[in-house]
Parts: sequence; C-alpha cells; structure tokens
Amino acid sequence: GAGVSQTPSNKVTEKGKYVELRCDPISGHTALYWYRQSLGQGPEFLIYFQGTGAADDSGLPNDRFFAVRPEGSVSTLKIQRTERGDSAVYLCASSTGEGGFYEQYFGPGTRLTVT
Amino acid sequence: KNQVEQSPQSLIILEGKNCTLQCNYTVSPFSNLRWYKQDTGRGPVSLTIMTFSENTKSNGRYTATLDADTKQSSLHITASQLSDSASYICVVRGWMDSSYKLIFGSGTRLLVRP
Repeated sequence: GAGVSQTPSNKVTEKGKYVELRCDPISGHTALYWYRQSLGQGPEFLIYFQGTGAADDSGLPNDRFFAVRPEGSVSTLKIQRTERGDSAVYLCASSTGEGGFYEQYFGPGTRLTVT
Repeated sequence: KNQVEQSPQSLIILEGKNCTLQCNYTVSPFSNLRWYKQDTGRGPVSLTIMTFSENTKSNGRYTATLDADTKQSSLHITASQLSDSASYICVVRGWMDSSYKLIFGSGTRLLVRP
C-alpha cells in the first residue's frame, strides 16, 4: 500500500513569505507527527496529532508555526513570515497509535529553503 | 546538551567488513530505544525497537544491543553492503517537556566503499 507522502518535495521561498507543507499519512493511521531536520542533525519534534486534535505541540518553535489536521487524515504545516533559519527538511510520520509504542512511518520530507 | 549522543559522526568501511555504531543517552525516564536508517533524501526507516528489559535484537545483518544500566546502545552491521551507506540514527523514547517524546541523536553517516 501507499506510504506517507509529502508535498511539495522542495519549496523555495523568500524571507517573510507564508508557506504550507502538506502530509498525507498512511490510510487508517490515527497518529501524525511533524519533525524538522537540519543538515547533519537528527529530526526534532514539532507537533503530534491524535485524530483531529493536536495532542502535543510543545515542539513548535514560536507562534509563526501552526499545523492543522481538520478531518483526521491530511495535515498541513503552516509557517508565517518565514525566516532564513526556518530552512530545513520537514518530515511527517504516521502511526496506528501513540508513537512511543507503535512504529512510526516517515515520509520523504519537504526541503524548505528560505532565501 | 543533546540527550542522545552518537559516535562516530561518520565512518568509512570497505564492502564486506563489519562495523559497530555507538549511542549513549541521558534521557530519563526511558521506555524504549530505536535505531533508524536514513538514506539520503529519504525519511528514516526503523531497524529495531528495544524496551529497557531487552539486551539484544537482530534484524537481518543488523544487531542492536542495549545496556539500560550504563545507558548505552550499539548497532552492529555484519558483512556490509554498498546499500548500507546511509545515516544511522539512535532514538530514545523518554520524558521531555512534560510528555513522552522520541528524542533523536544526530546520527552516524556510514559510507561503504567497494
């Protein structure tokens, strides 16, 4: 079956612009995670959804970052007033339950470059 | 300070050779430890998951060990293949910022040469 997909695969934007990154999880997976990965580093947790609600958003760096999952499936990560420091690969993962005890399946990521 | 430290940062070995990657963690409390393989431009893929009560777990040519007392883990790769070239990331599920989270190390970049 299809894995986790993310679009776009690459996004270049100018400083100060607004961007949206999309994640399509594996069908039936109730848990969805967003991570940010800088070059040469491991992924860093941003936010976790269980169904439609954000169960843990403690990793969002500031109020310019926001994520939604209105129907409990597709999720969108939204970044306002982008800064050059936001440049990174944004990874999405999904699992059948809370990720600590269930396998997390990662998408290929969206590479965001802020110029 | 990163709560999950990996060594070496990078490693080059010849095809067919074995290698061992190290992971030390300070995360507490801790519930499980995973090793992921991440190919360039791809998302991480799980290799093994171990709870604190497990000492070793194998997945084909990959064998992970865990010493929960010393908070150390290793990933041993046997008879390396060119396709093993990737980043290997140690991930600990532990308590951080008022909830359990997966805490990732920075990874070891392995290059297998023919």
